[in-house]
Amino acid sequence: QKEVEQDPGPLSVPEGAIVSLNCTYSNSAFQYFMWYRQYSRKGPELLMYTYSSGNKEDGRFTAQVDKSSKYISLFIRDSQPSDSATYLCAMSPPSGYNKLIFGAGTRLAVHP
Amino acid sequence: GAVVSQHPSWVICKSGTSVKIECRSLDFQATTMFWYRQFPKQSLMLMATSNEGSKATYEQGVEKDKFLINHASLTLSTLTVTSAHPEDSSFYICSATSGRAGYEQYFGPGTRLTVT
Repeated sequence: QKEVEQDPGPLSVPEGAIVSLNCTYSNSAFQYFMWYRQYSRKGPELLMYTYSSGNKEDGRFTAQVDKSSKYISLFIRDSQPSDSATYLCAMSPPSGYNKLIFGAGTRLAVHP
Repeated sequence: GAVVSQHPSWVICKSGTSVKIECRSLDFQATTMFWYRQFPKQSLMLMATSNEGSKATYEQGVEKDKFLINHASLTLSTLTVTSAHPEDSSFYICSATSGRAGYEQYFGPGTRLTVT
């Protein structure tokens, strides 16, 4: 079993839709939870991070962490074609600070 | 701020040759740099962690003699793929950080290596 599971998609939605992206994990000691956006043939770009449980909102993006269920989500409101990219979740394990464990990434396509 | 560059962005080499990829932190001093590998439509897999002035720590399954990492200064790390083979063709991404938290890693744009 992988430490971090993420449905690779692809996910195709119409412009303006609400998008829900999710990851599950097995290591209960993870403390930092990150979401990255990666355009084709580019490096990942940090969208949001959350420490421990709870919600965090930034513009059209909302990140949620439910540590009791080992489940994290990223919601994108009013999705735009420019949101079309691969979204990767990542987590920090308890040892080796800074070391990131990535999910497989979900490919999102927002069509006009 | 927090810009990381990689050079080259794309390289083609013949099987058996070596190729060097540079990773630079442009506006901060990076105490730690990471090297990742990404196959098409797959996630990033950590290859090694390097700290300035010390030997790199490689992840299990990564050949140290094949992927040579040098972190010569607080702004530069290099990855050399020695005796490259077609199966080494991949997207190599570095990240750099001066902090301890996972979200404080800043990623480079990646280098696409094609071995013919």
